[in-house]
Amino acid sequence: AQSVTQLDSQVPVFEEAPVELRCNYSSSVSVYLFWYVQYPNQGLQLLLKYLSGSTLVKGINGFEAEFNKSQTSFHLRKPSVHISDTAEYFCAVSNAGGTSYGKLTFGQGTILTVHP
Amino acid sequence: KAGVTQTPRYLIKTRGQQVTLSCSPISGHRSVSWYQQTPGQGLQFLFEYFSETQRNKGNFPGRFSGRQFSNSRSEMNVSTLELGDSALYLCASSLGLKATTEAFFGQGTRLTVV
Repeated sequence: AQSVTQLDSQVPVFEEAPVELRCNYSSSVSVYLFWYVQYPNQGLQLLLKYLSGSTLVKGINGFEAEFNKSQTSFHLRKPSVHISDTAEYFCAVSNAGGTSYGKLTFGQGTILTVHP
Repeated sequence: KAGVTQTPRYLIKTRGQQVTLSCSPISGHRSVSWYQQTPGQGLQFLFEYFSETQRNKGNFPGRFSGRQFSNSRSEMNVSTLELGDSALYLCASSLGLKATTEAFFGQGTRLTVV
């Protein structure tokens, strides 16, 4: 079984400040890791993913995340946020060893609010 | 390239009724997964279909069912609706590999049960 914990349910930050959204996971098998963003009344949009290779992954809208296998973490960062980044962010994992068959396991979400 | 299309966007149903939601995946994608999103439980996996066969199933009662057609479009059905079924239902389309490497989501169907 896999589980994902997003350590902060809400993160308020001022515009142009840096932000880090924290994600830890638990799994007995290798995983693929994802960050999604959800704007109000919308579906989920993929920000970035880690499948293999370099542990620093760059995504859309200036976001990046670092996979740390020893700490089982996949924290999301952005050096300078904009008002338009206000949304809910979800960390997710899938079973890399096969047979996940379409299943993503999600964290509970972090609401990022960017203040002017 | 068209994205994932879910219809309808909003639904209001009465307790005890049944409902059918539809999802059209990205062209070329053969896998469709369904998720329920609620404030209390978050995003929970319902089931996945690939080539008209259910390959994976989450921990939901039998009132929740689905199917997939030969053109990869999928429907999910909820029978005997309960107030707790009120949620945003999301579908995701992918290539259908054994391990999920990327999934694209639709905008969801907001179901309200009164």
